[in-house]
Amino acid sequence: AQSVAQPEDQVNVAEGNPLTVKCTYSVSGNPYLFWYVQYPNRGLQFLLKYITGDNLVKGSYGFEAEFNKSQTSFHLKKPSALVSDSALYFCAVSNMDTGRRALTFGSGTRLQVQP
Amino acid sequence: DTEVTQTPKHLVMGMTNKKSLKCEQHMGHRAMYWYKQKAKKPPELMFVYSYEKLSINESVPSRFSPECPNSSLLNLHLHALQPEDSALYLCASSPERDYEQYFGPGTRLTVT
Repeated sequence: AQSVAQPEDQVNVAEGNPLTVKCTYSVSGNPYLFWYVQYPNRGLQFLLKYITGDNLVKGSYGFEAEFNKSQTSFHLKKPSALVSDSALYFCAVSNMDTGRRALTFGSGTRLQVQP
Repeated sequence: DTEVTQTPKHLVMGMTNKKSLKCEQHMGHRAMYWYKQKAKKPPELMFVYSYEKLSINESVPSRFSPECPNSSLLNLHLHALQPEDSALYLCASSPERDYEQYFGPGTRLTVT
């Protein structure tokens, strides 16, 4: 079985400050890892992914994430937060070894960026 | 075209009605998915189609019936739903096994 944990229901940060949204995962094999963002009453938008290679992954809108195999983590980061970054963020995992296509999502973290 | 479209945006139906949700993509993706999302919760997988064949059914009740008429189109037929089935239904597609999924905007379903 595979699972994702997002330990923080909400993260508050001031505009211009760096932000981190935490994610840890559990899979029996090699993971594919993803971050998605969801704005109110909207579908999910893909931000970035880790498949293999460089542990630091850069994605859309200035976001990046660092894959840490020993800590089984894939935290989302941005150097300078914008008010428009306020949204619901989901980390997701897929097991590349099983061939199962579907994603398992974390419970989500609400990011609130204050002006 | 990097878009997944879903119709309708909103649907209100009674428990005896029959309705269908439609999803379309023109990115040449060969895998398509249905997810159900309740408020403030993560999406939950319902069905996966791979190369137009149903590959995963996550023990979804038979009142939900998926259909994949061709590689670009995915339907979800609804019949005799319950109020607890009210949710946001999301469609997604992906180009290959386990690559990122592209989501549509969803259909907000209310069962009365």
